[in-house]
Amino acid sequence: QKEVEQDPGPLSVPEGAIVSLNCTYSNSAFQYFMWYRQYSRKGPELLMYTYSSGNKEDGRFTAQVDKSSKYISLFIRDSQPSDSATYLCAENTGNQFYFGTGTSLTVIP
Amino acid sequence: GAVVSQHPSWVICKSGTSVKIECRSLDFQATTMFWYRQFPKQSLMLMATSNEGSKATYEQGVEKDKFLINHASLTLSTLTVTSAHPEDSSFYICSAKGQGNTGELFFGEGSRLTVL
Repeated sequence: QKEVEQDPGPLSVPEGAIVSLNCTYSNSAFQYFMWYRQYSRKGPELLMYTYSSGNKEDGRFTAQVDKSSKYISLFIRDSQPSDSATYLCAENTGNQFYFGTGTSLTVIP
Repeated sequence: GAVVSQHPSWVICKSGTSVKIECRSLDFQATTMFWYRQFPKQSLMLMATSNEGSKATYEQGVEKDKFLINHASLTLSTLTVTSAHPEDSSFYICSAKGQGNTGELFFGEGSRLTVL
């Protein structure tokens, strides 16, 4: 079983839609949870970072962590064409980082 | 967020030559840096973990003599692809973790290597 499972998509939504991206993980030792956005031919950019269960909001982005279910989500409100990218979830403990395979998102104008 | 600079962003070289890629943390000290390789439409594949002042730890299947990693200072790590061949063509990305156990990891912009 992979440490982190993520639906690769692709996901296509109209502009203005609410996007929900999800990952599950298997290791209860994970302490930190991240979401990265990666544009084509660029390095991943850290979007959201959290270490506790619950919600964390930053502008149009909300990260949600449910440690009891080992489930993390990223919600994007009022999606824009510029949000079109691949989104990677990541979990961390110590120097070990585990990444999902990434979900490809296209926001159609 | 913290800035990690990677250079060059793209490089083309002839088969048999060596290529060096630099990764710098610009506004923080990185005790640990990671090197990844990424194939088109695939996720990140960890190649090695480097800690400042010590030898890098390579993942299984990664040739340490092929991919030389040096982490001589808290702000600089280098990856040298030695005697490059066309199958080494790929997107290489570095990342840096700050001091302390915050869990935040910051990535460079990536380097696209094409070996002719």
